[in-house]
Amino acid sequence: AQSVTQLGSHVSVSEGALVLLRCNYSSSVPPYLFWYVQYPNQGLQLLLKYTSAATLVKGINGFEAEFKKSETSFHLTKPSAHMSDAAEYFCAVSDSSASKIIFGSGTRLSIRP
Amino acid sequence: NAGVTQTPKFQVLKTGQSMTLQCAQDMNHEYMSWYRQDPGMGLRLIHYSVGAGITDQGEVPNGYNVSRSTTEDFPLRLLSAAPSQTSVYFCASSYGQVNTEAFFGQGTRLTVV
Repeated sequence: AQSVTQLGSHVSVSEGALVLLRCNYSSSVPPYLFWYVQYPNQGLQLLLKYTSAATLVKGINGFEAEFKKSETSFHLTKPSAHMSDAAEYFCAVSDSSASKIIFGSGTRLSIRP
Repeated sequence: NAGVTQTPKFQVLKTGQSMTLQCAQDMNHEYMSWYRQDPGMGLRLIHYSVGAGITDQGEVPNGYNVSRSTTEDFPLRLLSAAPSQTSVYFCASSYGQVNTEAFFGQGTRLTVV
């Protein structure tokens, strides 16, 4: 069965600092991996996705994530945080044998001025 | 471009009442799904559909019914509302089943008293 674990329900960084949001997955076959962002009182929107092409995936708003099979990880990073990055971020996993996408519990990112 | 439209945005129900949450998409997507979002639990899949006339259960289907008579619409029915169904509900649609971007509605905030 697929699963995804997001380490840290809340991460706080200073404006301009590195953002690192952690995600580990479990899947018995090669996975599809996603990061979504949710701004307050809105639905989710896709930041980036991994579907077995390049292991380093670039997304919108300067975010990127690296697929590491040996570590079963898909951590999200951004070199320099901006106040507008404050939101909740969800990692999600699926695979070719599944019929659904499983979401993690989310990480709320706060940005300190 | 309307995308995924959910109605209503807010709803208060009394225990035992029934209601239908509406979801419509105008992108001709085959795959549609319903999630509920609760604090600390991420998004949990309630029901999903891979095309008109086809529906299946997700992780937490009890107390909910769905139908998919057209490609565009995927209503979620609460048969007899319970306080445990107080949540934010999101409808999503995607072109493919598991490896393509999911587009989310704005959500319906439901309170059952």
